[in-house]
Amino acid sequence: KNEVEQSPQNLTAQEGEFITINCSYSVGISALHWLQQHPGGGIVSLFMLSSGKKKHGRLIATINIQEKHSSLHITASHPRDSAVYICAVGRGSQGNLIFGKGTKLSVKP
Amino acid sequence: NAGVTQTPKFQVLKTGQSMTLQCAQDMNHNSMYWYRQDPGMGLRLIYYSASEGTTDKGEVPNGYNVSRLNKREFSLRLESAAPSQTSVYFCASSEDARQGSKAVQFFGPGTRLTVL
Repeated sequence: KNEVEQSPQNLTAQEGEFITINCSYSVGISALHWLQQHPGGGIVSLFMLSSGKKKHGRLIATINIQEKHSSLHITASHPRDSAVYICAVGRGSQGNLIFGKGTKLSVKP
Repeated sequence: NAGVTQTPKFQVLKTGQSMTLQCAQDMNHNSMYWYRQDPGMGLRLIYYSASEGTTDKGEVPNGYNVSRLNKREFSLRLESAAPSQTSVYFCASSEDARQGSKAVQFFGPGTRLTVL
């Protein structure tokens, strides 16, 4: 069993829809990261969470440490949000992260 | 600032050939990482360098060597390439090893390597 599981693997939405991507993990963590991989391949960090909730523009990330679960929400989705969204967890004093396989999001106009 | 740069962008090798992937960052970051990304799998850590002068193995180090040349540069070497090393390779950096896994990582554009 993978230590970091994301669902769904693939997601197609219509422009304007509210989107939720889920991440569950099976190990104790000190931090959880959400990253975005553009269709061209570039990877950028969206959020780092150790508790609670963070918001940046139309993106919201939440984490429930007790349930070992995090969600990434996108409000008023747009075709430019089409990308692979990756969840990664960190376990300790080193910067090493364990990555999920990603969720491929396609937003249709 | 260029951020994290990688060279080359694409490379085709024959089995048994050697090559070095170059990575440099201009953000004065202490920590640097090499990952590989394969279809259907998450990013996997090959080697990392928590600070200048130190390197450590990650999840999949076999077949690779690294050099932290200075604070800016972290290279990945394939001594004898194998088809199983066909992958996309990403370099990343983060500011401070003391932040541990809370440190945000900045990624390079990737190198697409094919080994025939």
